[in-house]
Amino acid sequence: NAGVTQTPKFRVLKTGQSMTLLCAQDMNHEYMYWYRQDPGMGLRLIHYSVGEGTTAKGEVPDGYNVSRLKKQNFLLGLESAAPSQTSVYFCASSYTSGEVGQPQHFGDGTRLSIL
Amino acid sequence: RKEVEQDPGPFNVPEGATVAFNCTYSNSASQSFFWYRQDCRKEPKLLMSVYSSGNEDGRFTAQLNRASQYISLLIRDSKLSDSATYLCVVNIRGYQKVTFGTGTKLQVIP
Repeated sequence: NAGVTQTPKFRVLKTGQSMTLLCAQDMNHEYMYWYRQDPGMGLRLIHYSVGEGTTAKGEVPDGYNVSRLKKQNFLLGLESAAPSQTSVYFCASSYTSGEVGQPQHFGDGTRLSIL
Repeated sequence: RKEVEQDPGPFNVPEGATVAFNCTYSNSASQSFFWYRQDCRKEPKLLMSVYSSGNEDGRFTAQLNRASQYISLLIRDSKLSDSATYLCVVNIRGYQKVTFGTGTKLQVIP
C-alpha cells in the first residue's frame, strides 16, 4: 500500500522555469492538500481540493496553480519559478466525514530549490 | 492571536523522563484535534487523535480542555527515539482544512 506518493523527490530550477509536482494517493480519499514548509515556520496551505474537479485557495496560493482531474491525483504547478518558492512541498490527503475533521496522510515531500 | 499556538522549545529531557506539551487554539468552534510527529526533514506523521474524554496510546496520553481551549500531549518514560518536533493540528467544525501549529521540538538526551 503506497499511501501518498510525491514526484519528484528533489528538483533544482532556474528562476523563470516552470514545473509540475505530482501527488498520487491510493486510499480513495476525497480531500487533497498541498503545503509548503520553510525553516522555522509551520506548514502553510497552498491549495486544496475537496473532490475531483474542484480546487480552492489556501493561505499562500500566489504563484501556484493546481488541478484535480482525477480523484487520485493532485498536481501543483509553478508557472514561473521564483527564489522565494524554494521550499519543501508536502502533499496530503484525507477522508471526509461530515463536519468531523479526519487526520491527513502525508507524502514524503519534494525538496525544491530555485536558483 | 494565532489560531494555534505552541511553545517552540526545544525541550531537552533525559531518557526516562516525563514531558508534557500544550497547544492552545483560539477558535471555540474547533472540533477535531490531532498530534503529529515530524522528524527532521521528513513528512509529518499522525501520532494520535485527541478525543474529548482523553486518550492514551502506550506511553503517550492526549487530553483536551475545551473550557481553556488547549490540548496537551504527555510522554512518559521518554526514549531517544522520541526526539522530534510535535505538531498540534486543529480542525474547525464544517471546514475542510485544518490548521497546523508550528511545532514543539523535543530532544531526549542519553
